[in-house]
Amino acid sequence: AQSVTQLGSHVSVSEGALVLLRCNYSSSVPPYLFWYVQYPNQGLQLLLKYTSAATLVKGINGFEAEFKKSETSFHLTKPSAHMSDAAEYFCAVSRGGGGNKLTFGTGTQLKVEL
Amino acid sequence: EAGVVQSPRYKIIEKKQPVAFWCNPISGHNTLYWYRQNLGQGPELLIRYENEEAVDDSQLPKDRFSAERLKGVDSTLKIQPAELGDSAVYLCASSKDRGPADTQYFGPGTRLTVL
Repeated sequence: AQSVTQLGSHVSVSEGALVLLRCNYSSSVPPYLFWYVQYPNQGLQLLLKYTSAATLVKGINGFEAEFKKSETSFHLTKPSAHMSDAAEYFCAVSRGGGGNKLTFGTGTQLKVEL
Repeated sequence: EAGVVQSPRYKIIEKKQPVAFWCNPISGHNTLYWYRQNLGQGPELLIRYENEEAVDDSQLPKDRFSAERLKGVDSTLKIQPAELGDSAVYLCASSKDRGPADTQYFGPGTRLTVL
């Protein structure tokens, strides 16, 4: 079975500081990995996804993530946080052969302080 | 391009009452998903449709939940009767195809409160 673990349910950074949100996956087959963002009272919006092409994936709003097979990780980063980045972030995994079933982590709430 | 549309956005009901949620996916998207998101958790898949066929409903509590996707477009998710534990956000998503790398686009969700 596939799963993802997000370390840290709450992360707080200062505006302009580096954002690092952690995600580790467990999958018996090469995974497809996703990061979604959810703003209050809204649905989930795709930030980026890894589909076995480049290991460094660039997404929207200046976010990027690096797939590291040796560490089974897919951490999300942004060099400089903005107030508008405050939201909840979800890591998710799907795998080939089982259709498009996403398994989500429990989420990380990002707070950006002045 | 219009996104995934869901209604209602909010619903408050008494326990044992029925409730229904409606979803209109993005035009041309063949695959439709219903997820439930409990407070403080990530979404969990309830059912997945490919066109009008339910291909994965293993997580749907079939004693009280039902879903349909007539003509392979709009979908309705129903709960009858609702229980206190059903309070959650119900999210609908759609994707163009069913591949594992296909992006799922989510609607804003319906927040259900069962009193």
